[in-house]
Amino acid sequence: EPEVTQTPSHQVTQMGQEVILRCVPISNHLYFYWYRQILGQKVEFLVSFYNNEISEKSEIFDDQFSVERPDGSNFTLKIRSTKLEDSAMYFCASSESSRGVGYTFGSGTRLTVV
Amino acid sequence: QKEVEQNSGPLSVPEGAIASLNCTYSDRGSQSFFWYRQYSGKSPELIMFIYSNGDKEDGRFTAQLNKASQYVSLLIRDSQPSDSATYLCAVTDSSASKIIFGSGTRLSIRP
Repeated sequence: EPEVTQTPSHQVTQMGQEVILRCVPISNHLYFYWYRQILGQKVEFLVSFYNNEISEKSEIFDDQFSVERPDGSNFTLKIRSTKLEDSAMYFCASSESSRGVGYTFGSGTRLTVV
Repeated sequence: QKEVEQNSGPLSVPEGAIASLNCTYSDRGSQSFFWYRQYSGKSPELIMFIYSNGDKEDGRFTAQLNKASQYVSLLIRDSQPSDSATYLCAVTDSSASKIIFGSGTRLSIRP
């Protein structure tokens, strides 16, 4: 079964530091996403990415966030200057189509900002 | 604000019985509908997706969609203790560029 792979599984960082969360989507998928889930809360959309550009982003995805597909396989989320409230599980997802066919989540990165 | 509403539970069901989970959504333009299972500290795991009105069955799971009522449900037959988890209802928005999640229903299967 194809998987979305995320690294690292857990990242601890000091407030104000930059972090990069990495994802390898399923190889034939064309649509890529980042979501986050603060402990005890619902899964929230951050950004969608298609054809090497952002399709849509949420209010959460401010100037401190950026995404990149630096090569043919990786998809990264960068947070430039982390805040305590950025502590959450971050999930990468990918899908075959815009209708969500095969929409699959990675195992997540737990980000802890101290 | 586009919303997906679920009863937070917990919903307690005896082993072997049918568990019924419900969800309503606000965006009439939503195109695809998903049920995910999430264990504590883990990522959402896709159980079912449905695009058309009616029922869709996969093993012990049946998803039901009624677009006129903006209602999605999930039935789990022959419930097992391993089915105990939080079930997330999710829908694509009308632009189909993202999935919007409900807050989830906690299901507990009692032996």
